[in-house]
Amino acid sequence: AQSVTQPDIHITVSEGASLELRCNYSYGATPYLFWYVQSPGQGLQLLLKYFSGDTLVQGIKGFEAEFKRSQSSFNLRKPSVHWSDAAEYFCAVGGMDSSYKLIFGSGTRLLVRP
Amino acid sequence: DAGVIQSPRHEVTEMGQEVTLRCKPISGHNSLFWYRQTMMRGLELLIYFNNNVPIDDSGMPEDRFSAKMPNASFSTLKIQPSEPRDSAVYFCASNLRGKTYEQYFGPGTRLTVT
Repeated sequence: AQSVTQPDIHITVSEGASLELRCNYSYGATPYLFWYVQSPGQGLQLLLKYFSGDTLVQGIKGFEAEFKRSQSSFNLRKPSVHWSDAAEYFCAVGGMDSSYKLIFGSGTRLLVRP
Repeated sequence: DAGVIQSPRHEVTEMGQEVTLRCKPISGHNSLFWYRQTMMRGLELLIYFNNNVPIDDSGMPEDRFSAKMPNASFSTLKIQPSEPRDSAVYFCASNLRGKTYEQYFGPGTRLTVT
C-alpha cells in the first residue's frame, strides 16, 4: 500500500541549531515528493518539491530536502532554525497514479527553544 | 495572483443544522480537492474534482456530506445535518492537472458543531 511515514510527532530544537525532519514513503516507483508547512490557524504552504533530477532540492525559507531512493526517504533540513519556523510540517507523496492525489504523512510539530 | 479562497473562515452551528462551506480555486486550475483535518485523524482527502467533475468521493464520510462544483471557479461542501463529530478544519486545494502535482491550499474553514 502507498503510504508516508513521519516517525517524529514532535521535535524541539534550539534557535540557531540545525534541523532534520524525517519522511519515509512506500511506493513501487519514483514518486513525486513534497514538504508543506502549516503555521497555527493557517493553511498548508508548499516548502519544496521533488519530481526528478538533482536529488537535493532547495525550497523557500532556507529549507532543503534530499531524496534517497535506496532509503525511500525525503528528509527535510535547515542549517539554522529561526523561532518563526515553529510550525507543523507535512511530507506528501503523489504521482502514484493518474489521479493526481497526494498522500500526506501525519505531520511533525516543530518547537523552537529561544 | 489570489490564492485559494475559502469562506467562511469560522463557522459555529448547532447539531442538526445545514452547513455550507465555499471554495474558489486559483484561476486556471482544473482540479479541486476538499480535505478535513482533525487531531485524531490528521489530514483526510474527502473528494476531488477534475474539470468540475467529481472523480473520487471515497473519502466522504457518509451521506450527510455532499460536494458540488458548478463551474471552474466555485465549489461547495455541504453537511446536512451536521453533528458534533464533524467539527474540524476543512481545507480546499487546487492544482493544474497535467502540469503540476503540487496542490495549493486555502486558509481553511474551522467548523464547530455544538
